[in-house]
Amino acid sequence: NAGVTQTPKFQVLKTGQSMTLQCAQDMNHEYMSWYRQDPGMGLRLIHYSVGAGITDQGEVPNGYNVSRSTTEDFPLRLLSAAPSQTSVYFCASSYRSEEKLFFGSGTQLSVL
Amino acid sequence: AQSVTQPDIHITVSEGASLELRCNYSYGATPYLFWYVQSPGQGLQLLLKYFSGDTLVQGIKGFEAEFKRSQSSFNLRKPSVHWSDAAEYFCAAYAGNMLTFGGGTRLMVKP
Repeated sequence: NAGVTQTPKFQVLKTGQSMTLQCAQDMNHEYMSWYRQDPGMGLRLIHYSVGAGITDQGEVPNGYNVSRSTTEDFPLRLLSAAPSQTSVYFCASSYRSEEKLFFGSGTQLSVL
Repeated sequence: AQSVTQPDIHITVSEGASLELRCNYSYGATPYLFWYVQSPGQGLQLLLKYFSGDTLVQGIKGFEAEFKRSQSSFNLRKPSVHWSDAAEYFCAAYAGNMLTFGGGTRLMVKP
C-alpha cells in the first residue's frame, strides 16, 4: 500500500495564480483532511471530508476549496494564491474521523 | 473557543534524562486526546491516544501520557530520553469531526 500520496512536493506560485494540491489514499478511508503547518502555530485544519460527496470547513478555510468525488481522492484548490498561503500543506486520512490519522509527506508551497 | 495549548515551544534534555511535555485543552466536554510526533521533513506519527478509561495511557517508543480532568491536561512523559527522540511533538484534541493541534514543542536532546 502506498498510504497517503501528496503531489507535488514543492511548488512556487505567483500571487493570483491558482493551483490544485493532489491527495490520494489507498486505504479505503472515509475521513480525509487538509492541514497547513506554520512555525509556532502547529497544524491548522483547512477542510475535511467524512465521505465521498461530503465536505466541511475547518479552522482556516478562506481561500481554499475542496471536493470529494471519490473515496480515494481529496484535492485542495487555491483559487487565487496569496503570500499568506505560503506554508507546508499536509493531507491526512483515517478510517473514521476520531481514529488515528495517516499523513502524507507534505507539500511545501511558496507564494511570491 | 476550543483550543489546545502547549506552553513550551522548545525543550532541551540530556540523553538518559526524563521528559515531560505539557498539554492543556479548553473544550466544553472532554475531547479525545492524542500525541503525535514529527521528525524533520516528515509527516506526523501517532504516539498514543486517550478516549476514556484508565487515565495513564501507554504508547509507542516508550512514551506514556496522563489525563487529568481537573487540570484539563494531557502531559506526555518518557522515563529516559534517547537521541532519536529529538523531534517536534504535537498534542491534539478531537471533537465534532475536527482534530485540533497545539502549537508544538520542539525537543532537543543533548549527548
